[in-house]
Amino acid sequence: QVQLQQWGAGLLKPLETLSLTCEIHGGSFSGYYCSWIRQPPGKGLEWIGEINQSGSTNYNPSLKSRVTISVDTSRNQFSLKLSSVTAADTAVYYCARGGINWGQGTLVTVSS
Amino acid sequence: DIQMTQSPSSLSASVGDRVTITCRASQSVTNYLSWYQQKPGKAPKLLIYIASSLQSGVPSRFSGSGSGTDFTLTISSLQPEDFATYYCQQGHSIPYTFGQGTKLEIK
Repeated sequence: QVQLQQWGAGLLKPLETLSLTCEIHGGSFSGYYCSWIRQPPGKGLEWIGEINQSGSTNYNPSLKSRVTISVDTSRNQFSLKLSSVTAADTAVYYCARGGINWGQGTLVTVSS
Repeated sequence: DIQMTQSPSSLSASVGDRVTITCRASQSVTNYLSWYQQKPGKAPKLLIYIASSLQSGVPSRFSGSGSGTDFTLTISSLQPEDFATYYCQQGHSIPYTFGQGTKLEIK
């Protein structure tokens, strides 16, 4: 059974860089795009971007200037970096493999 | 960006009811449309992909239909565990946008 485990800092100050990592257990990247999605408290879902095994990425244009998604296939991990965060970036961040398997979510709060 | 609009935004229904949720895209997404179920404090769960394909392990009371710009998710006979928020997502054009959600509540 494929499981995704994610981790990273949950409290950031404005202008810091958000950094999250997701590890795939019981499966691999093969044939899937792996994504990051976020959900502000009490609100809907926003797609941030995705990466495949080869490192090919697609980003949401609204965040593209601040987002970097990378992959480490040797560790079965992929990561999200979001620079210059503001309070508007406060959300639960999810990683997902192909939309089928999801991480548990990480609440990231941006506050001075 | 392709805008996805769900209706209704909220819905009250009873166990055993047949329920339909609609998702409309601002331009054609062909059949690149998925449906997710989300319960409070949990990650979304994929129910339907490519508009009408049932994800493995999802009960057959869930079904999806549509193509182009208009899609529906139908639950044939509501069960207590189905009360949740439902989202559609288009996978046709980047960014892959979600609908605003439909909250299904117990009447």
